[in-house]
Formats: sequence, structure tokens, C-alpha cells
Amino acid sequence: GQNIDQPTEMTATEGAIVQINCTYQTSGFNGLFWYQQHAGEAPTFLSYNVLDGLEEKGRFSSFLSRSKGYSYLLLKELQMKDSASYLCASLDSNYQLIWGAGTKLIIKP
Amino acid sequence: GAVVSQHPSWVICKSGTSVKIECRSLDFQATTMFWYRQFPKQSLMLMATSNEGSKATYEQGVEKDKFLINHASLTLSTLTVTSAHPEDSSFYICSAPLSEREVYEQYFGPGTRLTVT
Repeated sequence: GQNIDQPTEMTATEGAIVQINCTYQTSGFNGLFWYQQHAGEAPTFLSYNVLDGLEEKGRFSSFLSRSKGYSYLLLKELQMKDSASYLCASLDSNYQLIWGAGTKLIIKP
Repeated sequence: GAVVSQHPSWVICKSGTSVKIECRSLDFQATTMFWYRQFPKQSLMLMATSNEGSKATYEQGVEKDKFLINHASLTLSTLTVTSAHPEDSSFYICSAPLSEREVYEQYFGPGTRLTVT
């Protein structure tokens, strides 16, 4: 079956660094996405990885290892506005997004 | 960037009535749109793929007669929840890819919160 696993909730301190992990098992693979979703709002796109390695985009970086079925989202210099849910999603062989349940990130001052 | 709008942003309706939700791509044409449902603290669940000019493709377990989808133009798809029940209360989100070639890059509407009393 298809499965996306990520932690339910994480807590971090303002100014610190946090890494949100995601493991996936999907029928075929065409890339791994990370989305940010604030409460009551629709998701917004953060990153897309299809090749192994680290993609850096400002304070956010995303890593992919296809052989391990593993990705992480790294957030640096955390700000209070980064408090949100972070959704990992895998694009399967039919180009359908398979979504994880999301990781609720709580930032404390 | 590309913008997708939804209307209404929230709606409260009585059990047994029908509710229509509109999804519009504002500055691009979308031959395909996706409808998702999200319950509190849960992931997005794909309900159906809406195709302009043809019938929608529904995911397993989603009743096509209950969730009517009409993709009448390249910029508009509608989802009608018929004979709504309290268990249909949820956050409904539509998305559209910028192009058929880049179907993975989806732009999401702001969502519609439906409450059925």
C-alpha cells in the first residue's frame, strides 16, 4: 500500500533549527513535496525534490534520499510565524499526490 | 504566481440541503482541478479529479451522486454537496496545476469550511 509517515507534533524554540522527517512508500515515485499549512488555511508550496540531495531555499531546505524513501525539511532561524503544520506529499506513478498527515510545529519564544 | 479562488470561504447549512462550492483559476486556464477534503488534524484526502469538458474521476469510497462535480469551463469547477449531513462537515480545498505538463505543481484555493447542522 501507499504510506507517508511524519511525526504528529514537534516543538522548537524561536531562533533555533528544526528538522521534520518524512518517510514514504508509494507505488512509483515522481517527487516529494513539502507544504506549509496554517490553521484554517489551504497549504502553500514550500519545496519539491525529485533527485537525491539537499535543496536550499532561504531559511528552508529540503533533503531527499530515494533509496531510503526518506526526506526531511530543515527550518533555520525559526520565527514565530513558522508555527504551522508541515505536510509531506509524494507524487506517485499516476502523478497523484499522496499526503502525509502533517507535522504540527509549535514555536516557543 | 498563479491564483486559485474559492467561494464561499465558509458556509453553514441545514441537514438535507445542498451546497455548491466554486473553484476558479484567476490568471490561468486549468483543464484539470482537484478537490480535497480535510478533517481536523488529518491529512488532505483527494476526493476527485475534475476534467474540463468531461466527467470527473472519483476516488474510491467517494460517492459521485453525493458530490457532484462540474468543470464547465477552463477556469471554473464546482463541487455540489447534495443532501448534506453533519458528517459532511469538513474543510474542502480545490487545487489546479499550472499546466498539464507540470501537473505536480498545484496551486491551492483558500478552502471552504462547510458546517452542516
